[in-house]
Amino acid sequence: EVQLVESGGVVVQPGGSLRLSCAASGFNFHDYTIHWVRQPPGKGLEWVSLFSWDGDSTYYADSVKGRFTISRDNSKNSVYLQMNRLRPEDTALYYCATEGVVVPATIDYWGQGTLVTVSS
Amino acid sequence: SSELTQDPAVSVALGQTVRITCQGDSLRSYYPSWYQQKPGQAPVLVFYGKNNRPSGIPDRFSGSRLGNTASLTITGAQAEDEADYYCNSRDSSGNHFTFGGGSKLTVL
Repeated sequence: EVQLVESGGVVVQPGGSLRLSCAASGFNFHDYTIHWVRQPPGKGLEWVSLFSWDGDSTYYADSVKGRFTISRDNSKNSVYLQMNRLRPEDTALYYCATEGVVVPATIDYWGQGTLVTVSS
Repeated sequence: SSELTQDPAVSVALGQTVRITCQGDSLRSYYPSWYQQKPGQAPVLVFYGKNNRPSGIPDRFSGSRLGNTASLTITGAQAEDEADYYCNSRDSSGNHFTFGGGSKLTVL
């Protein structure tokens, strides 16, 4: 069974930093691209970033480019999101998600999310 | 443009058919994926590609695409289909993804 468990969400002040983690199990982690998607309270989904399966590529939404960094550790079946210079508009539930585990080129499995609140 | 546009709210009478639409330039190049999200839950993939449903998704869910507009159709909507629905696609670069703003489906 595919499982994704996010952690690291807390309340942080504007301008602060935070690192989110996503622990994966139930599939060959190193073979798949992993995404971060966020959802502000009461609002819609926003794609944030991806780390390609081959380790060659990372991509970011314009709203976080230059502030957020995605990384992965295949030895720990984990992906991370380093978030710097946080803004109130970064407040959201952050999901990690797989691409292509059962559906090629498609975001298919999702974790339950971890809540980040940026507030003074 | 990398934006996907959805109607914010859609309603359907129980047992009737409803179409949820998604519009955007990237849909001319990529088929969208569709996700259902119920309150307090993570999104669930319900339709993808030209004509594909993941295992366990009822066959009342179907999809189509014409030009820059894609649709998710629920034929014979059930009370449990009441949820938010999101379309998703790669953008024109193929390296970024984008979600529509979501459609809140109410089953009357």
